[in-house]
Amino acid sequence: AQSVSQHNHHVILSEAASLELGCNYSYGGTVNLFWYVQYPGQHLQLLLKYFSGDPLVKGIKGFEAEFIKSKFSFNLRKPSVQWSDTAEYFCAVSSNNAGNMLTFGGGTRLMVKP
Amino acid sequence: DVKVTQSSRYLVKRTGEKVFLECVQDMDHENMFWYRQDPGLGLRLIYFSYDVKMKEKGDIPEGYSVSREKKERFSLILESASTNQTSMYLCASKSGGIYEQYFGPGTRLTVT
Repeated sequence: AQSVSQHNHHVILSEAASLELGCNYSYGGTVNLFWYVQYPGQHLQLLLKYFSGDPLVKGIKGFEAEFIKSKFSFNLRKPSVQWSDTAEYFCAVSSNNAGNMLTFGGGTRLMVKP
Repeated sequence: DVKVTQSSRYLVKRTGEKVFLECVQDMDHENMFWYRQDPGLGLRLIYFSYDVKMKEKGDIPEGYSVSREKKERFSLILESASTNQTSMYLCASKSGGIYEQYFGPGTRLTVT
């Protein structure tokens, strides 16, 4: 069974700081990778996704993520965070072998101080 | 835009009650999902459905059942609610293939 690890459960940053959230998965086959975000009081929404091609993917609101197959990682980055980025971030993985079911990491709660 | 709606944002029920959580999507998606979200555990899949009247168990199906009588509607049923089912419940839908899932706003269920 595939599993997803997000190493940072809570992150506190000041505005304009750079962000990197780690995500590692366990499955060795072909995977599809996602980052979802949940702003306070709002529903979960897609930030970015990787299916194939360029391993550096860009998402909404200035976020990007890099797929490093050799490290089984899909880390999320943003060069300069804003107070409005305060949210919970979830990494998720699906694979064709697992019926394209999503497996989620435990989430990282980001607080950006103004 | 895909819209996934859930019948209640907040629900308080007593132990032993039968609880129905309803989810409706408006994009003719084949697949629908029920998750529960708990702090530090992320989202865990309870059940999913890939077609009308079809259902498959997810990772944590115990204590839950589901119903999908129409393509747009997927219901989660707690036959006899227990306090350890206090959680946030999220519904999602997606098209066939490897497309992303679209989530509803969630129902925060408290069982007392």
